[in-house]
Amino acid sequence: AQSVTQLGSHVSVSEGALVLLRCNYSSSVPPYLFWYVQYPNQGLQLLLKYTSAATLVKGINGFEAEFKKSETSFHLTKPSAHMSDAAEYFCAVAISGGSYIPTFGRGTSLIVHP
Amino acid sequence: DAGVTQSPTHLIKTRGQQVTLRCSPKSGHDTVSWYQQALGQGPQFIFQYYEEEERQRGNFPDRFSGHQFPNYSSELNVNALLLGDSALYLCASSLVGQGSYNEQFFGPGTRLTVL
Repeated sequence: AQSVTQLGSHVSVSEGALVLLRCNYSSSVPPYLFWYVQYPNQGLQLLLKYTSAATLVKGINGFEAEFKKSETSFHLTKPSAHMSDAAEYFCAVAISGGSYIPTFGRGTSLIVHP
Repeated sequence: DAGVTQSPTHLIKTRGQQVTLRCSPKSGHDTVSWYQQALGQGPQFIFQYYEEEERQRGNFPDRFSGHQFPNYSSELNVNALLLGDSALYLCASSLVGQGSYNEQFFGPGTRLTVL
C-alpha cells in the first residue's frame, strides 16, 4: 500500500520568502506523485504531477517539485511567496500501472504574512 | 465549459437519517470518484463509478453507496448517519484511460453536518 507523510501541519512564511512544503512517500512500486491546493470553501486543484518523466516538475502559479527516489521525497517549493498562495496544500501518491486513485496526506496549511 | 458541480453546498442531518449527495462531472468526462474529507484531514477515497458500475472502492462501510446515471452524473448515498460522517464530500471526474493516468478534476464539495 502507498502512503504520504507531510511534515508540518502549518508553515508560515513572509511575503516574498521561499516556500518549502515537505512530502515523503512510501510505495512498493514506481509512484505517481501530486500536489494539490485547496482554497477555503473550494475543491482541490492540481498544482503539478510527477509521472516518471523529468524529476523536476514545474506546475502552475510558480510552484515546482523535485522527485528524489533516494530520499523518497517530493517537496514543493516556490521562490517567492505571494499573499494569494495562502491555502491548504495536499501531497498525494498513486500507483503507476494501477487505478491511479490518489492517496492523500493530511495537508499543510500555508500562512503568508505581509 | 462547466467544471464539476455538486449539490447541495451544505447539508445538516441528524443521526440515523439518510442523505443523498449529487455530482455532475466535467463535460466529456465519464468517470466519477467520491472522497470524504474530515476536518483537518486529507481526502479519503470512497469509491469510483464508470459505466454505471462501481469500479473500485475504498475502506468505507456498506452504509456508503452510490450510483452513476447514463449521463455520467452520480449520487452518493449514506444511510444511518453517524456523527463521524460529518465531513466535506468531494466529487472528482476524469476520463477513463486504458493503463494510463488521467487527471481528476474536483468539485467544490458538499459540507455535511450530522447532529
